[in-house]
Amino acid sequence: GAGVSQSPSNKVTEKGKDVELRCDPISGHTALYWYRQSLGQGLEFLIYFQGNSAPDKSGLPSDRFSAERTGGSVSTLTIQRTQQEDSAVYLCASSTSTTGGWTNEKLFFGSGTQLSVL
Amino acid sequence: DAKTTQPNSMESNEEEPVHLPCNHSTISGTDYIHWYRQLPSQGPEYVIHGLTSNVNNRMASLAIAEDRKSSTLILHRATLRDAAVYYCILKTSYDKVIFGPGTSLSVIP
Repeated sequence: GAGVSQSPSNKVTEKGKDVELRCDPISGHTALYWYRQSLGQGLEFLIYFQGNSAPDKSGLPSDRFSAERTGGSVSTLTIQRTQQEDSAVYLCASSTSTTGGWTNEKLFFGSGTQLSVL
Repeated sequence: DAKTTQPNSMESNEEEPVHLPCNHSTISGTDYIHWYRQLPSQGPEYVIHGLTSNVNNRMASLAIAEDRKSSTLILHRATLRDAAVYYCILKTSYDKVIFGPGTSLSVIP
């Protein structure tokens, strides 16, 4: 299986608890994206990692949200003090490296983590 | 904000061709046009992409306007399994990818 792997597939937590969501991108992919999708809504951009560059965190909705990417591979999205409005599917995507100039790399998505905050 | 505009929804009869439009009037010379689709309860999947020339693959065709300010995804024979939300996005080097609301395609048997 060489696809994007996300874990857990489902997470139920109590309001106020911290959660960690994991994403294993496709091997060799240097770009990694996190999105959030609330029920019946579109994909909301959260954060973008590209190689060793500083991540684009412009989509994180509050300082309760953070993400890191260790060794240019696995990424963890952490939500502190979860709220009910955080309930959503969290999707991770990865793509091949860009080598400068025009780029046409495809995004490959994982199946997502369904987060439910009670 | 998303750099593309699509109709919220479309309907098609089964086994008929479907043309899904997308406007991207602010496209830059280095932006690739990508299409993805999201089936119910799944993550999005890649459909097709192009830069200037029309493209064909086993899933669909992509027709790109000469000025590149619009494009059309063509499903040659819609099936019930093609019912999904279709997203048109612009892919720029070293930049985040913003998805708009997409077009929800319904296929009528």
